[in-house]
Amino acid sequence: SQTIHQWPATLVQPVGSPLSLECTVEGTSNPNLYWYRQAAGRGLQLLFYSVGIGQISSEVPQNLSASRPQDRQFILSSKKLLLSDSGFYLCAWNRGQGGKGNQPQHFGDGTRLSIL
Amino acid sequence: DQQVKQNSPSLSVQEGRISILNCDYTNSMFDYFLWYKKYPAEGPTFLISISSIKDKNEDGRFTVFLNKSAKHLSLHIVPSQPGDSAVYFCAARPLSGNTPLVFGKGTRLSVIA
Repeated sequence: SQTIHQWPATLVQPVGSPLSLECTVEGTSNPNLYWYRQAAGRGLQLLFYSVGIGQISSEVPQNLSASRPQDRQFILSSKKLLLSDSGFYLCAWNRGQGGKGNQPQHFGDGTRLSIL
Repeated sequence: DQQVKQNSPSLSVQEGRISILNCDYTNSMFDYFLWYKKYPAEGPTFLISISSIKDKNEDGRFTVFLNKSAKHLSLHIVPSQPGDSAVYFCAARPLSGNTPLVFGKGTRLSVIA
C-alpha cells in the first residue's frame, strides 16, 4: 500500500529564517506531487505541483520554492520566511498519467508552521 | 475567480439526521468531483468521488449527487454521527489527467448529540 510522510509536524521559525519541509511517498512510482497551504480560517491553496523529477509548476508567486530531487521526494523551501508564510502546509500525491481512470489526491498529515 | 464554491461556511445537524453539504462550480470542463473530510491538525482524507458521466454515487452513509446542468453537487450523510464533525472540502478537476484538483473553502459540519 502507498503511504505519504511529511515532516516536521510542527515548526516555529523566526522571520527571515530559511525553511525546508520534506515529503516522501512510498509504495508507488512516478506519482504526481503537490504542496498546499491552508491559512487560518481559509481553504486549501495550491502552491506547487510536480508530474516528474525536476518538473515543478508554480501556482502562486511568492517567496517559496519547491524541488523534486527524486521520484518520490518533494521539498518546499524558502530563503527568508515572512510572517504571512504562517499556516498549515500539506503535501499530497496521486497516481501519474500512467494510472487508470480518475485518481483522488491523498494527503499527508501536514506541518503547522508558525512564524514569529 | 473561485471556480469551486462552498457557500455555507458552517452547518449544524442533530445526530441521526441527514447532513447535506453543497458545492457549486463554474468551470464546465470539470469532469471529476470529490469530497474530502478534514479534522483539525490533520491532512484531508478522501471520502467519495463522482465522475461527470454519473449523477449519483453511494458509499455506506455517504452519497454524492451531481447536477451537471446546474453545476452543483452535494454530499448527503445519513445518519449523521458525532464523529462526522469535521470540515468538508469539495474539489473538482478539469479533463486533463495531470491537472491538480481545485478545492472549495470548506464547510464545517457539527453533529450535535
